[in-house]
Amino acid sequence: AQSVTQLGSHVSVSEGALVLLRCNYSSSVPPYLFWYVQYPNQGLQLLLKYTSAATLVKGINGFEAEFKKSETSFHLTKPSAHMSDAAEYFCAVSSGSARQLTFGSGTQLTVLP
Amino acid sequence: DAEITQSPRHKITETGRQVTLACHQTWNHNNMFWYRQDLGHGLRLIHYSYGVQDTNKGEVSDGYSVSRSNTEDLPLTLESAASSQTSVYFCASSESLGQSEQYFGPGTRLTVT
Repeated sequence: AQSVTQLGSHVSVSEGALVLLRCNYSSSVPPYLFWYVQYPNQGLQLLLKYTSAATLVKGINGFEAEFKKSETSFHLTKPSAHMSDAAEYFCAVSSGSARQLTFGSGTQLTVLP
Repeated sequence: DAEITQSPRHKITETGRQVTLACHQTWNHNNMFWYRQDLGHGLRLIHYSYGVQDTNKGEVSDGYSVSRSNTEDLPLTLESAASSQTSVYFCASSESLGQSEQYFGPGTRLTVT
């Protein structure tokens, strides 16, 4: 069984501040991990994914995430928030040969001017 | 460019009616998925398919059915719509490997009155 917990359903940051969105996972086998972004009235778009290569993964729009096995975490960060980063962010896990994704409940990011 | 489309984008129907939501992808992906998105629940898997003639139940399959007669399409049918099925529905597709990301359609907003 696999599961994902995203701490904080709403996160607010000032423009230019660090963005940190938290994701912890549970998986009985080595996981594949994903971060998706959803802008209003749109589908989900892949930001980045971890597939057991480098533990620090760089994605689009300046985001990156670090896989920490000991902490079962895959937190998403961006050094400097931009107004255009305001969106909902979802962490997801896929385990082993499973092709299904299990999603967290999402974190709504607000960027304050 | 390859894409995944959904139709209709918005639908209002009455309780008890049968409704079919269309999903069409031109990625030539074997895997296709249907999710519903509700506030506070993230995305929950309804049904999925790993190839033609293959269909499987997901986490919240009651009241829904799918069929896969070709690679490109996975229509989702609500046999007898209920108010609890008011939601935003997303279709997604992916390549065969567990590490492959899913590509999402733009969503269908369904309201059951």
